[in-house]
Amino acid sequence: QQQVKQSPQSLIVQKGGISIINCAYENTAFDYFPWYQQFPGKGPALLIAIRPDVSEKKEGRFTISFNKSAKQFSLHIMDSQPGDSATYFCAARLTGGGNKLTFGTGTQLKVEL
Amino acid sequence: NAGVTQTPKFRILKIGQSMTLQCAQDMNHNYMYWYRQDPGMGLKLIYYSVGAGITDKGEVPNGYNVSRSTTEDFPLRLELAAPSQTSVYFCASSASGVGSEKLFFGSGTQLSVL
Repeated sequence: QQQVKQSPQSLIVQKGGISIINCAYENTAFDYFPWYQQFPGKGPALLIAIRPDVSEKKEGRFTISFNKSAKQFSLHIMDSQPGDSATYFCAARLTGGGNKLTFGTGTQLKVEL
Repeated sequence: NAGVTQTPKFRILKIGQSMTLQCAQDMNHNYMYWYRQDPGMGLKLIYYSVGAGITDKGEVPNGYNVSRSTTEDFPLRLELAAPSQTSVYFCASSASGVGSEKLFFGSGTQLSVL
């Protein structure tokens, strides 16, 4: 019940295209849904996050879409750039969980010229 | 500010050896965490701490121990290393309270047990 399922495992997108990564969860006690970006040899870094009372959040080229009834959320990267090539993790936090995150399995994104 | 500092960056252990992975943060964060990252598996929580003197198990605690004697430091101890502990280990910290959910990660320790 604490799993977060992420797809696809890998993704290749042309420069300027839209990258879409999807996540699904079962536990309705999750109350915070962040996305982390990780470059090779580095630790993950927070990219964008959303709470379940909001259906969409946009920060620059990055948008989270959240569907509470379907228990799904997705990351959209508009105008994808080679510098966006990284591994992306979705995550979820249990209410009262002290910021402990359950992570998805990750999506390796490659943006080609 | 240095943020979250992990040492060493790389280490090779023989089966049965023990070692301590060091983690220090200079942001005065109450919460600290240890995650391990395996290919295709995401990050799994090993142990976490909500303050000095308080630690608790995460999802995959077997074979590990932690202590938190100060706010700044959160070392992870591996006793009797096994090949299954070959992984990349990340320490993270966060503030507590509403609006403080952001985790700050260190750059990781790559551990191989042979």
